[in-house]
Amino acid sequence: GENVEQHPSTLSVQEGDSAVIKCTYSDSASNYFPWYKQELGKGPQLIIDIRSNVGEKKDQRIAVTLNKTAKHFSLHITETQPEDSAVYFCAASIGHAGNQFYFGTGTSLTVIP
Amino acid sequence: DTEVTQTPKHLVMGMTNKKSLKCEQHMGHRAMYWYKQKAKKPPELMFVYSYEKLSINESVPSRFSPECPNSSLLNLHLHALQPEDSALYLCASSPPSGYTGELFFGEGSRLTVL
Repeated sequence: GENVEQHPSTLSVQEGDSAVIKCTYSDSASNYFPWYKQELGKGPQLIIDIRSNVGEKKDQRIAVTLNKTAKHFSLHITETQPEDSAVYFCAASIGHAGNQFYFGTGTSLTVIP
Repeated sequence: DTEVTQTPKHLVMGMTNKKSLKCEQHMGHRAMYWYKQKAKKPPELMFVYSYEKLSINESVPSRFSPECPNSSLLNLHLHALQPEDSALYLCASSPPSGYTGELFFGEGSRLTVL
């Protein structure tokens, strides 16, 4: 089955700096890679995703890159703000309904004002 | 409107109680999921329903019993739970096959077993 590894497990940055979280996956059949943000006491919220036919996707301050050959994908947050502080999970899936989503172990991001 | 609604938000139960968690979505999604999440850990898949049929059961103990009465509702019936079952239970849904496959989560039901 699929195995998703995520690094780092914790990350502290100064407000305004960039944050990068990296994930690797093992199953070359995976073709959909979402990122979730989970704030304390809440459910995970989908913040950005990328499919295997795309190398990069950007949405305002967040961007995701995918390297299919190396089987890794990364989340980039620029101009970080205190409200970006949360736990971030990457995931990999074969992208259609009813399939499993394999999650990384999570990164606890703290943005220091 | 990407909304998955879970009730109750908090539940405390004894080991001999019977209770249920409920989940509802009106996005036309045909796959619905139950996940269990412990503190500081990723969500752990329990069950998947696809078109109202149980398609994945991740070897979950029988004290957890899922039910999908229709395409919008998903229940998780709880009976004779153990203290180690205390966790955040997350419901999620995703669009029908052929669509983009995004997984949308509810806010979760925080379960405490005494």
